[in-house]
Amino acid sequence: DQQVKQNSPSLSVQEGRISILNCDYTNSMFDYFLWYKKYPAEGPTFLISISSIKDKNEDGRFTVFLNKSAKHLSLHIVPSQPGDSAVYFCAARARGSQGNLIFGKGTKLSVKP
Amino acid sequence: NAGVTQTPKFRILKIGQSMTLQCTQDMNHNYMYWYRQDPGMGLKLIYYSVGAGITDKGEVPNGYNVSRSTTEDFPLRLELAAPSQTSVYFCASSWDASAGAQHFGDGTRLSIL
Repeated sequence: DQQVKQNSPSLSVQEGRISILNCDYTNSMFDYFLWYKKYPAEGPTFLISISSIKDKNEDGRFTVFLNKSAKHLSLHIVPSQPGDSAVYFCAARARGSQGNLIFGKGTKLSVKP
Repeated sequence: NAGVTQTPKFRILKIGQSMTLQCTQDMNHNYMYWYRQDPGMGLKLIYYSVGAGITDKGEVPNGYNVSRSTTEDFPLRLELAAPSQTSVYFCASSWDASAGAQHFGDGTRLSIL
């Protein structure tokens, strides 16, 4: 049973517009959430994270929002750039889990010039 | 600074053969992880280590073994390769369980025929 779900396999947006990637989770023990970006033939690279005690974290063009009551988080990219085209993975860590991450299936973002 | 280095990048094995996937990191991280990613799926944890001499099972450990004799190295061993182990394998490391972001290598693409 998937504990971290990314229900949109792909997303296409125009350069300069906002990209919104969504992630839902089921485990109430998750206390830390991360977004990773992955290009083909490379390993995932860390993008941004948020602790369960916060509802928003911002880093430049990237903002992550956490809605604990809905068990939902989203990644906003504004403005989107062609170089943002990649697969984005949502990941979660459970309290006391030694850092083990549970990953979603990923969303492939295409930013068109 | 090389980060996390995985070798080989590609390998084809026959059913029943064995091999070791190498992973080394130069960041002096205590925590190391092995994940596998099947097509269209998220990463799943195979084994992890919280320090030299200490290893533990993740979500999908069957068919694999690991060892951690040094801080830098965390090899993954396949003893009797099976077609179900065809996947992309990623090694990752982090300073500790609470630090959040794990640093990933670029992966080993393994095909078992």
